[in-house]
Amino acid sequence: NAGVTQTPKFQVLKTGQSMTLQCAQDMNHEYMSWYRQDPGMGLRLIHYSVGAGITDQGEVPNGYNVSRSTTEDFPLRLLSAAPSQTSVYFCASSTTGNEQFFGPGTRLTVL
Amino acid sequence: KNQVEQSPQSLIILEGKNCTLQCNYTVSPFSNLRWYKQDTGRGPVSLTIMTFSENTKSNGRYTATLDADTKQSSLHITASQLSDSASYICVVWLTGGGNKLTFGTGTQLKVEL
Repeated sequence: NAGVTQTPKFQVLKTGQSMTLQCAQDMNHEYMSWYRQDPGMGLRLIHYSVGAGITDQGEVPNGYNVSRSTTEDFPLRLLSAAPSQTSVYFCASSTTGNEQFFGPGTRLTVL
Repeated sequence: KNQVEQSPQSLIILEGKNCTLQCNYTVSPFSNLRWYKQDTGRGPVSLTIMTFSENTKSNGRYTATLDADTKQSSLHITASQLSDSASYICVVWLTGGGNKLTFGTGTQLKVEL
């Protein structure tokens, strides 16, 4: 099993550009989540999904969209990148209430 | 104010020594409390998961304790190794459905020769 994979590993954007961060898991987990990690702060939940076709907002959803058309994939879209979105983004998956498996992260810089 | 507070913020110890990291939380009710290890440039990896009714959980040289009355948890690392150098994050999973995890900011541990 590859576990949770994320692409790209690094990305630099200009303000106003859009992009999609990819996340895939091969463990048949129903729960998938996106977090951002900023210096001096704990991981913060952006969006999450409890199954294909179902998504919900987390703590910091503004400026991001998600969709969950399959169990395996959970892409995160930045609609119009802003410098405040410079961060490290982690995707995670789990079964209900159990251990979360995190991907390796995407380091995003918005100029 | 963060609802999951960890101390110390950072810690340096010599290889072979033991150390204890602290986590105080104010969020409730919760389903479980977790400790994660995050190596630099990597995603967090789960070390232990404790339910409300558990007092202790071990994973090799890592032992987590939970006191639900005082809302405190600790992670004890025995006979530290250089590979233990990482950030250790305390996480509380709230009850009520969804995916409501509250993360601490972590303790940065460095193990030196």
